[in-house]
Amino acid sequence: KAGVTQTPRYLIKTRGQQVTLSCSPISGHRSVSWYQQTPGQGLQFLFEYFSETQRNKGNFPGRFSGRQFSNSRSEMNVSTLELGDSALYLCASSLGSGRGNTEAFFGQGTRLTVV
Amino acid sequence: DQQVKQNSPSLSVQEGRISILNCDYTNSMFDYFLWYKKYPAEGPTFLISISSIKDKNEDGRFTVFLNKSAKHLSLHIVPSQPGDSAVYFCAARATGFQKLVFGTGTRLLVSP
Repeated sequence: KAGVTQTPRYLIKTRGQQVTLSCSPISGHRSVSWYQQTPGQGLQFLFEYFSETQRNKGNFPGRFSGRQFSNSRSEMNVSTLELGDSALYLCASSLGSGRGNTEAFFGQGTRLTVV
Repeated sequence: DQQVKQNSPSLSVQEGRISILNCDYTNSMFDYFLWYKKYPAEGPTFLISISSIKDKNEDGRFTVFLNKSAKHLSLHIVPSQPGDSAVYFCAARATGFQKLVFGTGTRLLVSP
């Protein structure tokens, strides 16, 4: 069974540009969450999507947005990039339904560098 | 406000010995806890989890202990192997939410 796939793996962008990252979850998983990892702030939750709806959102500015498609694939967009947006962006996939707790599995991440 | 804390930034153990990684949390709404292993520039790899209705969960060389009254959990790795060298993160989740709150990580070095 294929794992969580994130594309691209590496990206270099210029300040002011925008970027779109993609995540394909594990087959059958309907919840996709996004996280940002930086040396100073650690792993921080961005948002979570389930059945094409954003269910939860972290404390990030509106420049960070996302969406989920009917096949559960998700995209994350960052507009007007700033140097501080340089980070490893991680996508996590889980079943996400019901009240039962389930594990979350991560992709390899996208390393974004803003210059 | 760091709701999940890993107070030891690093830990060194010898191969074959036990590694004990600790994690404390402050939010009493957390009821599911996970441990991940991570290498630089890669995504975290899920290791083991525990629900708040349990106080212990084992999977091979990995055992997680949960002390709800102390809001403390620990990961035991026995025996430790050089391949276990990585950064270990604990994470917590509240019922009904997929959002994971991560600790700051502990770098484990297992020497031969």
